[in-house]
Amino acid sequence: KAGVTQTPRYLIKTRGQQVTLSCSPISGHRSVSWYQQTPGQGLQFLFEYFSETQRNKGNFPGRFSGRQFSNSRSEMNVSTLELGDSALYLCASRLLEETQYFGPGTRLLVL
Amino acid sequence: SQQGEEDPQALSIQEGENATMNCSYKTSINNLQWYRQNSGRGLVHLILIRSNEREKHSGRLRVTLDTSKKSSSLLITASRAADTASYFCATDLNRDDKIIFGKGTRLHILP
Repeated sequence: KAGVTQTPRYLIKTRGQQVTLSCSPISGHRSVSWYQQTPGQGLQFLFEYFSETQRNKGNFPGRFSGRQFSNSRSEMNVSTLELGDSALYLCASRLLEETQYFGPGTRLLVL
Repeated sequence: SQQGEEDPQALSIQEGENATMNCSYKTSINNLQWYRQNSGRGLVHLILIRSNEREKHSGRLRVTLDTSKKSSSLLITASRAADTASYFCATDLNRDDKIIFGKGTRLHILP
């Protein structure tokens, strides 16, 4: 089985722009979670989608949003980018309620 | 605030020695998982221990869980250079199924 894939792998944006990141889960996995990882804050949970519905949400501003499609692929969007949004964004998929499988991440740099 | 807190934040040991990392958490959990991350890449799942289990082994890894103390430990025996990575504990909260990560322990194996 193919693993979790994320596109793009690297991205450079400027403040005020918006960005969309994509995640394709492992085939058969219906749950997709997104995390932001920075040196200062560590791994922070953004949100989780299950069967196209947002099931859980972390403590991030409304500029961070996501969605999941019927094929379980997920996108996250960040609008009005700020310098502090520079981070590694990780997507993970899981079957049922247990082990998460992570993608390689998208490294976003906001200038 | 983080649900899981790893201790120590950083650890350097000689190759061949054993490495022990600890994780403490705050609220009741369904299970606790340990992950490894190599240099800013995606996380790799190592082991999952359920709340009704006390110890689990996988190869050179040994994980213990003490729910009365809300703590877990990860022991890596006979460490190798390839074990150099950051190690995270993640707790699956039983109140809302959210998976929350600690800030990790950076392990450096010295040749």
